[in-house]
Amino acid sequence: DTGVSQDPRHKITKRGQNVTFRCDPISEHNRLYWYRQTLGQGPEFLTYFQNEAQLEKSRLLSDRFSAERPKGSFSTLEIQRTEQGDSAMYLCASSLVAGAKNIQYFGAGTRLSVL
Amino acid sequence: SQQGEEDPQALSIQEGENATMNCSYKTSINNLQWYRQNSGRGLVHLILIRSNEREKHSGRLRVTLDTSKKSSSLLITASRAADTASYFCATDAREETSGSRLTFGEGTQLTVNP
Repeated sequence: DTGVSQDPRHKITKRGQNVTFRCDPISEHNRLYWYRQTLGQGPEFLTYFQNEAQLEKSRLLSDRFSAERPKGSFSTLEIQRTEQGDSAMYLCASSLVAGAKNIQYFGAGTRLSVL
Repeated sequence: SQQGEEDPQALSIQEGENATMNCSYKTSINNLQWYRQNSGRGLVHLILIRSNEREKHSGRLRVTLDTSKKSSSLLITASRAADTASYFCATDAREETSGSRLTFGEGTQLTVNP
């Protein structure tokens, strides 16, 4: 257990529905990241926050995706009008920026299946 | 798009043997990390090597970095069945602000047979 928790662990939804995932990072970490991972591939960066500010978004993050970190603690990732191509594992990670190191601690992920 | 590529994609060895995985990347980096992922789980950080380092050890792990070839290798010595997992390299690009995105390779699936 890395200390980063994600909820739910699994989500099955029908195409066109909205889904929301939650991530609780390690409490003293100021950076929070979202990645997406499809079967047999490495994680792909989606977005990250420093405290409550969203500092970078990947081109993978279409306008159907929105992420928030309202109080600089937990974060939510919402996908609107889900498509079958959104089926993947969504990973959250957190880090405490210290010098040039960027060691990220990952949650167990939320596996999304869009039917 | 993924910039890292791991080689081999899959590796099967017997317990007690050494396992070597390679990673190549494309951009200048601040550091390179290796992560491990058990099936259906999140990633766990194993080791970090800075761009000005050439070799680093941690327990049964040995990592090398060749910035001129933009490549790294991870050696696991005296492998155990519990080492069975996917292994990913991840780079922290030099041109990015420190503390931002990691770019992962596609991973090597290691199977250690008892």
